[in-house]
This record gives sequence, structure tokens and C-alpha cells, in this order.
Amino acid sequence: SYVLTQPPSVSVAPGKTARITCGGNNIGSKSVHWYQQKPGQAPVLVIHYDSDRPSGIPERFSGSNSGNTATLTISRVEVVDEADYYCQVWDSSSDRVIFGGGTKLAVL
Amino acid sequence: EVQLVESGGGLVQPGGSLRLPCAASGFTFSHYSMSWVRQAPGRGLEWVASIKQDGSEKFYGDSVKGRFTISRDNAKSSLYLQMNSLRDEDTAVYYCAREVTVAGTGFISWGQGTLVTVSS
Repeated sequence: SYVLTQPPSVSVAPGKTARITCGGNNIGSKSVHWYQQKPGQAPVLVIHYDSDRPSGIPERFSGSNSGNTATLTISRVEVVDEADYYCQVWDSSSDRVIFGGGTKLAVL
Repeated sequence: EVQLVESGGGLVQPGGSLRLPCAASGFTFSHYSMSWVRQAPGRGLEWVASIKQDGSEKFYGDSVKGRFTISRDNAKSSLYLQMNSLRDEDTAVYYCAREVTVAGTGFISWGQGTLVTVSS
């Protein structure tokens, strides 16, 4: 079955750029979606179709996808960005939704 | 405003059953694929099941296939998850989620979740 691999944690200083990766076999051929989840809250879609931002998501959030790696980039990181981030794809070969294991972003 | 409201969670014994409804409002329910996603305490997101707009196709995660059934009533703008043969490892917050459009387009709207605890 298709597997998405994320680093367990990423640390970044306020005002810097955070990059969270999502690895998968030929993931560049799939559409990748990214979610932000804060403690006790439901997830929020921050990027879909690799790089599109839903309405209301700050421009600081961007995404890219090529080869075996998709990347969520958060520019000018703020303390409020501290959260868990999940990547997700639809695996059409198995008709399943696949989530990555999640990455905890710490803003230090 | 899009709203998804789950209910029906609670404590159930192993081997028991539970039915989770999700009431949708603020959008034309019949136009969108819908899904259930769960999250065990302290763990990541796990997809449970999805259903197409007209209910003609249903998809399940390996861990629930054969035990859980997803369904919908477009006339009532409601999504359901029938959970049978529950196990300890099914303990989780269960979220109802709406896709951007069809299956695979991303979950744009989520409910607040309902907690299911499987324990004797």
C-alpha cells in the first residue's frame, strides 16, 4: 500500500522559513493536500492540489510537489503556526485516502 | 456557513456497535463526496471511509473494512457511520469531513468530532 513519510518534528525560529516534507513513491504524480491541526481542534486544510491556498489561508503558506517529495513551506513563521501538519493524497490504484504520519512544528 | 455536526459517540464495550450521524448544513449536501476520519488519542489522522455524492460507491480503510459501513441520506443532508464489532483500537475522535468536490480533492470542511471509547 502507498505510504507517505513525514519527519516527526521540525523546529524554526519566529520570522524564519519552515519546510515540512512529505515523501512518497512518485508523489509528484499525485495531488497533495496539507492540513494544520492545533491541540483540541479539528484539522484545517491549508494547501490543496499541491500548491493552492483555500480562502482565508495566509499567503505565507505555500506548497510544491515533484518527484518523490512534496513540501509545505511556511514563510515568516509566527508563534500561531505552531501545530501538527499532515500531508494527504488519494491513491487511485487502491481507492484509498492516505495520510502522512504528521509533523509537529515547534516555533522556538 | 458550512457546518458539520457529529453526534452519537460514547463508551461502548468491545464487540459492541455504535452509529454515528453527521448533520450537514450551509451547502448542497448531495453535490459533495463525504468521509469519516478518525484520530486515536495522541496519534495522527487515519482515514476511515468515503462515499460518493449519490452513494453509489463507498471506500474503506483496511482497519475497518467489513466492520464499518458508511452511508448517506441526501434528503436529510446527513452522513452516517455504522460501526460493528468494535475493538479497543477503534477508540478515537471521529470526524465527519467534506471534500472540496469529489473524492481525492482534499477535506475542506470538518466537524468538531465525536469521541468513541471502546472499553470494558
